[in-house]
Amino acid sequence: GNSVTQMEGPVTLSEEAFLTINCTYTATGYPSLFWYVQYPGEGLQLLLKATKADDKGSNKGFEATYRKETTSFHLEKGSVQVSDSAVYFCALIPTGYSSASKIIFGSGTRLSIRP
Amino acid sequence: DTAVSQTPKYLVTQMGNDKSIKCEQNLGHDTMYWYKQDSKKFLKIMFSYNNKELIINETVPNRFSPKSPDKAHLNLHINSLELGDSAVYFCASSQGGGRGTEAFFGQGTRLTVV
Repeated sequence: GNSVTQMEGPVTLSEEAFLTINCTYTATGYPSLFWYVQYPGEGLQLLLKATKADDKGSNKGFEATYRKETTSFHLEKGSVQVSDSAVYFCALIPTGYSSASKIIFGSGTRLSIRP
Repeated sequence: DTAVSQTPKYLVTQMGNDKSIKCEQNLGHDTMYWYKQDSKKFLKIMFSYNNKELIINETVPNRFSPKSPDKAHLNLHINSLELGDSAVYFCASSQGGGRGTEAFFGQGTRLTVV
């Protein structure tokens, strides 16, 4: 079946450090891939997405590239800030579906940034 | 303007009670959802509702029932609350189809059953 696996947290970094949060998926064909972010006390919001192989999603300094060969969609940021502290969710919508009702989330990775 | 709003934000209640959580979206979206987030932050979809078509996650107990008076509202009613129902419940909405459909989430309702 379809699934998303993220690196377990929490991840703690110092400000201006380089960030990578790993995400791999299991799905047939070409699912759509997403990163959502949940700031403390808030709901999830879309951070970036990619809908076909080799696409790169980017937003707020974060990037992720859809790698079909490694079934991965790792999240990266060159220099993190304290305000990036949040829980990050990798997600997919399986091939052939276009509704968000089919979205499958990973377990989330908590990121804490020290000043 | 809040796009997806839920009330209440916090709900503490005793086992066996019946409670409702309300959700409204002002985005003009045609599909709404309820998700449950457990203590480990794991998110699971419970229901989606599109133009009067209800899609139910079969693992959800029938004590949970969604009610949609119109396209902009999707309420969640829970009967005979149990301790295991304690979680954060998120309402969300989206529009149409197409690859990369984005879901917009409310701030969540933290339900504590004592």
